[in-house]
Amino acid sequence: EADIYQTPRYLVIGTGKKITLECSQTMGHDKMYWYQQDPGMELHLIHYSYGVNSTEKGDLSSESTVSRIRTEHFPLTLESARPSHTSQYLCASSSLWGAGEQFFGPGTRLTVL
Amino acid sequence: AQKVTQAQTEISVVEKEDVTLDCVYETRDTTYYLFWYKQPPSGELVFLIRRNSFDEQNEISGRYSWNFQKSTSSFNFTITASQVVDSAVYFCALSEAVIKAAGNKLTFGGGTRVLVKP
Repeated sequence: EADIYQTPRYLVIGTGKKITLECSQTMGHDKMYWYQQDPGMELHLIHYSYGVNSTEKGDLSSESTVSRIRTEHFPLTLESARPSHTSQYLCASSSLWGAGEQFFGPGTRLTVL
Repeated sequence: AQKVTQAQTEISVVEKEDVTLDCVYETRDTTYYLFWYKQPPSGELVFLIRRNSFDEQNEISGRYSWNFQKSTSSFNFTITASQVVDSAVYFCALSEAVIKAAGNKLTFGGGTRVLVKP
């Protein structure tokens, strides 16, 4: 069973607040990912990392930033949240040399008022 | 560029009916991996299966079965004798098989919502 954790699970905040969504995994995976999921279900890759001190932007432009200081930790930060950031954020990880299957955390549902 | 299409956005069935989810993909790679994920109402994506492009043997796991046809670029998923607990969104995904140090990104389809009514 995948051991990947996200906190908080739900977050309601006001416009302009700075927030950090936490993601941690205990599987020793080198690769980690952040996805944004629309209410219409489609998943969009917004950030990924293939190791410590490496981060890349994904396919969908995002105002969020990420960091990867430790292998197990891949937090996502929004400096100034806006209602357009309201979405579900899913974190995932995978092995560097595996076939590519990613294991997902439970997600953070963010609402910006 | 890779692309995954799940033409069915929503399927509604009555419990015990079979349901088949379609997945069609596009890729220029000669070797690749295909995946199915399940997303129940709780929100997390659960990995169900991975298939290699060079292995077209169909697979059955309990009430789940997968039909991979390279000739038609399809990787369909069938739930036999559906149950209410099968209600979820199901995603098909594709990744290239060449292992890259920079990471192998998954390309997801748009998802199919399955609603199983009692």
